[in-house]
Amino acid sequence: EAQVTQNPRYLITVTGKKLTVTCSQNMNHEYMSWYRQDPGLGLRQIYYSMNVEVTDKGDVPEGYKVSRKEKRNFPLILESPSPNQTSLYFCASSFAGGQYEQYFGPGTRLTVT
Amino acid sequence: KQEVTQIPAALSVPEGENLVLNCSFTDSAIYNLQWFRQDPGKGLTSLLLIQSSQREQTSGRLNASLDKSSGRSTLYIAASQPGDSATYLCAVPGSSNTGKLIFGQGTTLQVKP
Repeated sequence: EAQVTQNPRYLITVTGKKLTVTCSQNMNHEYMSWYRQDPGLGLRQIYYSMNVEVTDKGDVPEGYKVSRKEKRNFPLILESPSPNQTSLYFCASSFAGGQYEQYFGPGTRLTVT
Repeated sequence: KQEVTQIPAALSVPEGENLVLNCSFTDSAIYNLQWFRQDPGKGLTSLLLIQSSQREQTSGRLNASLDKSSGRSTLYIAASQPGDSATYLCAVPGSSNTGKLIFGQGTTLQVKP
């Protein structure tokens, strides 16, 4: 089954404790992105990757890191999480760029206390 | 700068009604428009993708139309059911080739039995 998977689905952590949210897709897609969703602010892109080893900042990259060592995986790293990073996070992928249909993962609910 | 607006923000209807959700965008130079469904606290499920060259797309009881010149799309749901209760989001690709989608704020639909 074609899908985007994320882990963990739920995470509660404390300020400053490094964490990684994994994302994997099995559709051989070139593009992958991370979004966060917040009430009243909607969905905003954090980082995106056009291909292996090619990543760039989206609209709200501060406090996040990403890497794309393999085509299928695109982990999101929070080196020192803060409470303002409490949010619902989505990974997405598409064949190539915005002109193709995008597929989203199930989301990761992160709470930073 | 592309902006996407959805009206109404919330809608409550009795089961069996046909209904229309509206989406408008400010820049008509889009590749496509995608409609998503989101259940509370869950991921985004792609419902329909309309390419810029198309006027409409259908999937089951759903029909989405696109009028690029007026910057509008509608999602028509026929014979609504309680299981259709969810938030519906429309999105268009951002102007740069980042794979970014620009989302509307969504319409939260409640279908009462």
